[in-house]
Amino acid sequence: GDSVTQMEGPVTLSEEAFLTINCTYTATGYPSLFWYVQYPGEGLQLLLKATKADDKGSNKGFEATYRKETTSFHLEKGSVQVSDSAVYFCALSEPPEGFGNEKLTFGTGTRLTIIP
Amino acid sequence: AAGVIQSPRHLIKEKRETATLKCYPIPRHDTVYWYQQGPGQDPQFLISFYEKMQSDKGSIPDRFSAQQFSDYHSELNMSSLELGDSALYFCASSLPVPNSPLHFGNGTRLTVT
Repeated sequence: GDSVTQMEGPVTLSEEAFLTINCTYTATGYPSLFWYVQYPGEGLQLLLKATKADDKGSNKGFEATYRKETTSFHLEKGSVQVSDSAVYFCALSEPPEGFGNEKLTFGTGTRLTIIP
Repeated sequence: AAGVIQSPRHLIKEKRETATLKCYPIPRHDTVYWYQQGPGQDPQFLISFYEKMQSDKGSIPDRFSAQQFSDYHSELNMSSLELGDSALYFCASSLPVPNSPLHFGNGTRLTVT
C-alpha cells in the first residue's frame, strides 16, 4: 500500500537557519504530494503541493520539488522564523477513482521548533 | 473566508457511551472526509462522502458510522466508546474537482474516560 516516510523530529533550529525536512514515499501510481502544517490547537493547513514529477510547490518561503526518480518531496526553507514553529506533515494522494476518493496518506509528522 | 466548522471542539465521554461529531463543510464543497489523529500520531483516514453517498472507507471501526446530509454537513456517530478512541477527529472538505486540496477543520478532541 501507499506510505509516506518523513524525517523524525523534533527538529530545533535557530531563527534564520536553513530548514530541510525529508520526505519519501511509496505509491503504486502517480500520486500528488503535499505538505501540511499543524499549529498548536489547530487543524491541518495545506502549505504546498505538487501534482506531477519535477513540479515545485512553494508558499510562504517554503519549497518542495516532486522527485520521481528518488520518490522524494523534501521541504526546504532558506531562513526560518519563530512563527514557523509547528508540526509538518508530508502526505500523498493517489489519483482518485471518481470523487470523494482523494484521501490523504500522511507521514508521522515532524515537530519543528525555532528559537530566537 | 469561510472554513470547515466542526462541533463540538471538545467532548468528554465515558467508556461504552456514544458520541456524535458534526462537520459543516465550506460552502459549495460537496465532498467530506473524516480523519482520526491519536496522540502524537499522524491522521488516519476513516471515511469519505461525495454527494451524500459514501465514497471511500478506511480504518473506521464497525462501532462508528457516518453520513452526509442533504445540506452536505456530515456526522460521525461513535458507539460503545473505548479508551483508545480518545483522539482528535478532523473533518475535511473539498470541491469535486481533480486535485482539489482538502481543507481541514480545527478538529474535535474526544476524551474517553
